[in-house]
Amino acid sequence: NAGVTQTPKFQVLKTGQSMTLQCAQDMNHNSMYWYRQDPGMGLRLIYYSASEGTTDKGEVPNGYNVSRLNKREFSLRLESAAPSQTSVYFCASSFLGGQPLNTEAFFGQGTRLTVV
Amino acid sequence: AQSVAQPEDQVNVAEGNPLTVKCTYSVSGNPYLFWYVQYPNRGLQFLLKYITGDNLVKGSYGFEAEFNKSQTSFHLKKPSALVSDSALYFCAVSRGLYSTLTFGKGTMLLVSP
Repeated sequence: NAGVTQTPKFQVLKTGQSMTLQCAQDMNHNSMYWYRQDPGMGLRLIYYSASEGTTDKGEVPNGYNVSRLNKREFSLRLESAAPSQTSVYFCASSFLGGQPLNTEAFFGQGTRLTVV
Repeated sequence: AQSVAQPEDQVNVAEGNPLTVKCTYSVSGNPYLFWYVQYPNRGLQFLLKYITGDNLVKGSYGFEAEFNKSQTSFHLKKPSALVSDSALYFCAVSRGLYSTLTFGKGTMLLVSP
């Protein structure tokens, strides 16, 4: 059982370049999330998708776009990368369904992105 | 709005001693509280959660947490620390099943041999 898989694991971009971070989960979860982790800042939510076909902004959405391609996949796109987007990006998924106990999120291993 | 405070950037404890990692929260309504652990170069792993019921919650790897509504706290505890417990610990809060999680800034736990 792979859980949450993110690609790539590492990436270096030049300012102004674009890229897409891919995320896939195999746990049949309804909800998926993108976070960024910066030193001393904890995890901040960029975008999330509560269910297939919906996406919503989180705390720090500027400079990003997302696509919930299907129930399994949720991608994050940087259209024009900036040095301020240098960070570690985590994808996560959780099941918000009929069982209220199943609310913990499962995280991927992260993508370390550097924008120069 | 909801928020989480982890007042200590780092906690140092000797192996075999009890450990506490502090967390306080602010949320309207009843909180859903979580602890996650992050080992170096890894994603976050779920440790335990409080949704309702008993104020003392037991989780993975011998960790437990106590929900204190009057003090709005959810401190993580373990009776006897292991060197392998050294990691970054995050507290998180949600104000409901269908609300997103807000994470604290994290507390680095260092357990010395």
